[in-house]
Order: sequence, then structure tokens, then C-alpha cells
Amino acid sequence: DAGITQSPRHKVTETGTPVTLRCHQTENHRYMYWYRQDPGHGLRLIHYSYGVKDTDKGEVSDGYSVSRSKTEDFLLTLESATSSQTSVYFCAISDGWPGGDYGYTFGSGTRLTVV
Amino acid sequence: KNQVEQSPQSLIILEGKNCTLQCNYTVSPFSNLRWYKQDTGRGPVSLTIMTFSENTKSNGRYTATLDADTKQSSLHITASQLSDSASYICVVSPKGTASKLTFGTGTRLQVTL
Repeated sequence: DAGITQSPRHKVTETGTPVTLRCHQTENHRYMYWYRQDPGHGLRLIHYSYGVKDTDKGEVSDGYSVSRSKTEDFLLTLESATSSQTSVYFCAISDGWPGGDYGYTFGSGTRLTVV
Repeated sequence: KNQVEQSPQSLIILEGKNCTLQCNYTVSPFSNLRWYKQDTGRGPVSLTIMTFSENTKSNGRYTATLDADTKQSSLHITASQLSDSASYICVVSPKGTASKLTFGTGTRLQVTL
């Protein structure tokens, strides 16, 4: 997806280990988001950022933390991975708040498996 | 609780046929409604976005309609192609809650020969 890159694309990790997923954008957008996608659920917001060092919780934030030290990078950390965090994680960027007619672009996702 | 429900859950159609996907929502008031296409193993890609005052929006063979009175939206695909095989997700943005988009679970469309 043009302008937004997630890494890694796939990861298998053991229960109890910390894991960090990275989202990198080249669009200079202010807003960045982390979602998880699970079967039977719509995409659910984990955390979002509205500027460097400005972050807030989403609806499923327990067990996750984020950091944004530069405009282009938004990191998602699973502090101690659990099997319930096995999911596909998507980063998204927006050039304005989603309540307006602003573009909202998703990355290609990271498939995380916790064993 | 704000909800977005999509139907059918899955659909199989022959190439060249038309189809219509449904989205019912309880989000109110809302700011805009979006349709996304998600190919297997990829992130969602925007197809259309409509504000509460719009009732139709087209993007090539994709046409979205919106009835804000009945809180229903539909996505019509004309002359389907094999490349239309994907999940289609309806997303509603509540007014005033900037980052709390509400996602439907999607309709999985398979186009066959």
C-alpha cells in the first residue's frame, strides 16, 4: 500500500514475550491508528495517535502500548503476548480526523501468532 | 451501542452478473459512511465515502447508496469480474467522536466462472 508500510508481515512468538510491530508512513499524515482484525469481528481500534507523542486508547487497548516519537513511525507493543492476541494487526493513517471526508489508508497488515 | 450489520455474510455469483450488498447501522448521528474492499491477505482499500447528506456515490462499477432515514446503505457491483472477489466492509463514522469508526464484519464475495 502506497505510503504506509508495516513490519514484520508475519511473526510467531511465544506466550509471555514482548512483541513490537512497526508502522511507517511517508505521507506526513497527522493521525495514525492500530487495529486488530479477528474472525466474526469488525476491525477494532487498539490505540491511535494524533501527533508526535500524542496517543490515546481505543476500545481494545488492554495489554498493548504504543509510541510515536516521529511523525512517520507508530509502534505497537504487546507487553507480554498472550494467545488471545493472535490476530491480524492493521495500521492506518489519515490526513484528518475520520469524522470528516478525509482519506483513511490501511497498511497490508501483520499476522501475529502467539503460541 | 453503535452497530453496523452487513448482509449477506457471504455470496457467490457468476462473472458478469450484478450484486448488491447491504449495510444496516444504528450509529446516530453519523458523519459519514464508507465502503472498503479487502482482498485476502491485504488491508482494506477505500471504495466510496458518503456524508449524511449524500444518497449515492459511484466509483467505476461500484455504486453505493445511502438512506439516512432508514439507516441503510447498499453497495451495488455491476458486471462483476473475478477480481471483485474480496470482502466488502461497511464503516460508519459517528459524529463528534473523531477516532471511533464502527466497522461491519464484512460480506465475503466470490465471483466464479
